[in-house]
Amino acid sequence: KNQVEQSPQSLIILEGKNCTLQCNYTVSPFSNLRWYKQDTGRGPVSLTIMTFSENTKSNGRYTATLDADTKQSSLHITASQLSDSASYICVVRGNTGFQKLVFGTGTRLLVSP
Amino acid sequence: DAGVIQSPRHEVTEMGQEVTLRCKPISGHNSLFWYRQTMMRGLELLIYFNNNVPIDDSGMPEDRFSAKMPNASFSTLKIQPSEPRDSAVYFCASAGANEKLFFGSGTQLSVL
Repeated sequence: KNQVEQSPQSLIILEGKNCTLQCNYTVSPFSNLRWYKQDTGRGPVSLTIMTFSENTKSNGRYTATLDADTKQSSLHITASQLSDSASYICVVRGNTGFQKLVFGTGTRLLVSP
Repeated sequence: DAGVIQSPRHEVTEMGQEVTLRCKPISGHNSLFWYRQTMMRGLELLIYFNNNVPIDDSGMPEDRFSAKMPNASFSTLKIQPSEPRDSAVYFCASAGANEKLFFGSGTQLSVL
């Protein structure tokens, strides 16, 4: 069964610190992996989309890595800010159709002052 | 562009009533999705339209749910009759050829 698992479920860090969120997937065949940020009361917003051939992709203070061999991805947040407090959702697209995106349940991050 | 626009933002209704959620996708996008989000199950696909045609409705829970896309700029999701277990946040999302999904702000539905 195609699955996406994220860890940790929740995380609290101090403002200015770095953190790394994990995503493991079993989706096969694989097309791409996406990270979304969802603020409370808002819809998810795309951070990165990575294909099989991409190992690292950055978007400002957000850096995503992908190891397609081990089916693992991580999202690293550098110098966290209060506005980084949100849920971060990992989504994997297989080759069976655009609508067959497999969503993780997210990591809830709280950045504390 | 204003992004994906959903209405209403909040809907409170009584069990048995009809609920209609509305979505205006980003102009030029040919893919439209309806998702439901709950704490327990996360984001779940309800239905997927491509070029206004329903392609995959396997996620629609039951016959009480229906969705239409009469033209490229408008879609509705209807629940009739509504039940308390339908309470959730419903998102509409659209995408163009690059398949980058843009979500609306969602409709928070509460069925009492």
